[in-house]
Amino acid sequence: EAGVAQSPRYKIIEKRQSVAFWCNPISGHATLYWYQQILGQGPKLLIQFQNNGVVDDSQLPKDRFSAERLKGVDSTLKIQPAKLEDSAVYLCASSLGQGLMETQYFGPGTRLLVL
Amino acid sequence: KNEVEQSPQNLTAQEGEFITINCSYSVGISALHWLQQHPGGGIVSLFMLSSGKKKHGRLIATINIQEKHSSLHITASHPRDSAVYICAAPYNNNDMRFGAGTRLTVKP
Repeated sequence: EAGVAQSPRYKIIEKRQSVAFWCNPISGHATLYWYQQILGQGPKLLIQFQNNGVVDDSQLPKDRFSAERLKGVDSTLKIQPAKLEDSAVYLCASSLGQGLMETQYFGPGTRLLVL
Repeated sequence: KNEVEQSPQNLTAQEGEFITINCSYSVGISALHWLQQHPGGGIVSLFMLSSGKKKHGRLIATINIQEKHSSLHITASHPRDSAVYICAAPYNNNDMRFGAGTRLTVKP
């Protein structure tokens, strides 16, 4: 079974530039999560989708971050404009159902460096 | 204060030693997750438990809901166990809060 795919794996940009990350969850998984993991810290949930609807985006900095999951499959996370403090690994995860009793499967992450 | 606290932050052990990593949380939860993150960032879910104990190979996870505490044990540790171990606690119906992780290094 293919796992969660993410691209790109690495991205280096200058501050105030824009960047987009892509995630393809495991086939059939209804729930998709985007996490931000700053070096030395645990992941922080940015947004959770159930199919193509947003379940929770309370920790998403909406002035610069946006995410969508058209057709309830792939998802993109965009940062515009990027700040230095956005340097982190952006992890995508998916689970079969909704709820915190579900096992989440993580992608390899996209490492972003903002200069 | 973090809602999920792990200890120790860093742990170095010799191959074969018994390892214990602790997790305490301040939010009420119905389940707790243990994750393993290897160098390069890949995260694997190890356990999800809501009571008692679970065992998978050399890994054992226990939880005490009343005391809001969980432990991850590794028996007969091996260098390939070297990774960051993260516990995660559901914060509300839709959110999960993560600990900062425990970096384990097992030396041959």
